Amino acid sequence: DAGVTQSPTHLIKTRGQQVTLRCSPISGHKSVSWYQQVLGQGPQFIFQYYEKEERGRGNFPDRFSARQFPNYSSELNVNALLLGDSALYLCASSRGDFNTGELFFGEGSRLTVL
Amino acid sequence: AQTVTQSQPEMSVQEAETVTLSCTYDTSESNYYLFWYKQPPSRQMILVIRQEAYKQQNATENRFSVNFQKAAKSFSLKISDSQLGDTAMYFCAFMKVFPDTGNQFYFGTGTSLTVIP
Repeated sequence: DAGVTQSPTHLIKTRGQQVTLRCSPISGHKSVSWYQQVLGQGPQFIFQYYEKEERGRGNFPDRFSARQFPNYSSELNVNALLLGDSALYLCASSRGDFNTGELFFGEGSRLTVL
Repeated sequence: AQTVTQSQPEMSVQEAETVTLSCTYDTSESNYYLFWYKQPPSRQMILVIRQEAYKQQNATENRFSVNFQKAAKSFSLKISDSQLGDTAMYFCAFMKVFPDTGNQFYFGTGTSLTVIP
């Protein structure tokens, strides 16, 4: 079975631009979460979606938005990019029901903002 | 708010030896899970071990075991018989339990472990 897949793997943007990152969860997983991992830090929670509804949001500005599609894939959008948005963006999926909570991570999208 | 602290940014261990990684957390929740995740240089995070807060017995997965001290809010990871493939960044993580909606994780800053041949 395929794991969590993310695209693109690497991208370079300039300040002020917009970026869209994509994630396909493991088949059967209904919950998708997004995390930002700045170099040298642990992942920081951005969003969680379950059954196409936002179920949680971390301490990120409104420039960050996301959505989940009927097939449970997800997109993370970041507008008006800042240098500080440079990071590894991780997508994680889980079954989403009341379970033991294991997250399955993708390899991430490395965003560099110049 | 939940916080997770890993006070050892870097550690090293000789192959076949034992090493312990430390983690403390702060929460007012009574129902939660704790995890150790491994992030090898290829970047994909992999679950190492999981502990339910309501279980007193420490979790064990082959060479990996935890020392869970709920009152002290401590959750350390012991790796026995260290192998070269254990070289990675290790993250301690806390998860609040939200029924029916999955989970929201809080991660520590990580410990970079190097296994020396």
